Amino acid sequence: SQTIHQWPATLVQPVGSPLSLECTVEGTSNPNLYWYRQAAGRGLQLLFYSVGIGQISSEVPQNLSASRPQDRQFILSSKKLLLSDSGFYLCAWTHGSRQNAEAFFGQGTRLTVV
Amino acid sequence: AQSVSQHNHHVILSEAASLELGCNYSYGGTVNLFWYVQYPGQHLQLLLKYFSGDPLVKGIKGFEAEFIKSKFSFNLRKPSVQWSDTTEYFCAVNALWDDKIIFGKGTRLHILP
Repeated sequence: SQTIHQWPATLVQPVGSPLSLECTVEGTSNPNLYWYRQAAGRGLQLLFYSVGIGQISSEVPQNLSASRPQDRQFILSSKKLLLSDSGFYLCAWTHGSRQNAEAFFGQGTRLTVV
Repeated sequence: AQSVSQHNHHVILSEAASLELGCNYSYGGTVNLFWYVQYPGQHLQLLLKYFSGDPLVKGIKGFEAEFIKSKFSFNLRKPSVQWSDTTEYFCAVNALWDDKIIFGKGTRLHILP
């Protein structure tokens, strides 16, 4: 069966420090991968998605970037964190078929920038 | 730009009341539609989905939703809610010509015992 791993679960980082959040999927190949940020009252904001290795689509221009170095690995990064980057980050995957786009989510990472 | 609107941000009901949460989307063309739920301490999980066929779809825990194409709507319903239904619900849309999955802002449901 397929599983998705996202780590760390919680993270406290100072302003100006770098960020790297990792997400990996097991048990499937060629998934579509997604990064969302969840804020209270604002739902899930799509940040980045990827349909293949090295292919990244950015939805919201901001202080973050994403990379997909391997088929089932998706990384969210920042060179210098801002206070406004605090939030709950969720990774998700789908089978890659537009006819079946059900998304499966990781446990999320609670990021607090101090 | 594509968008998903959940008009009810916070709903309070008594147990056994009927529930309807609204969801409207702004996409053109063929879409997949979803309702997700997030229980405390758990993954965001799928409640139900519509891909094609019968516009009335049934999901887990007695929930159902109806796709009305002419109204661009996919409202979530439950005939009789329980206290355990208290949590946050998210509507999501994916267009078949796109790989993005766009979520609404969520509706927080509070059931009074």
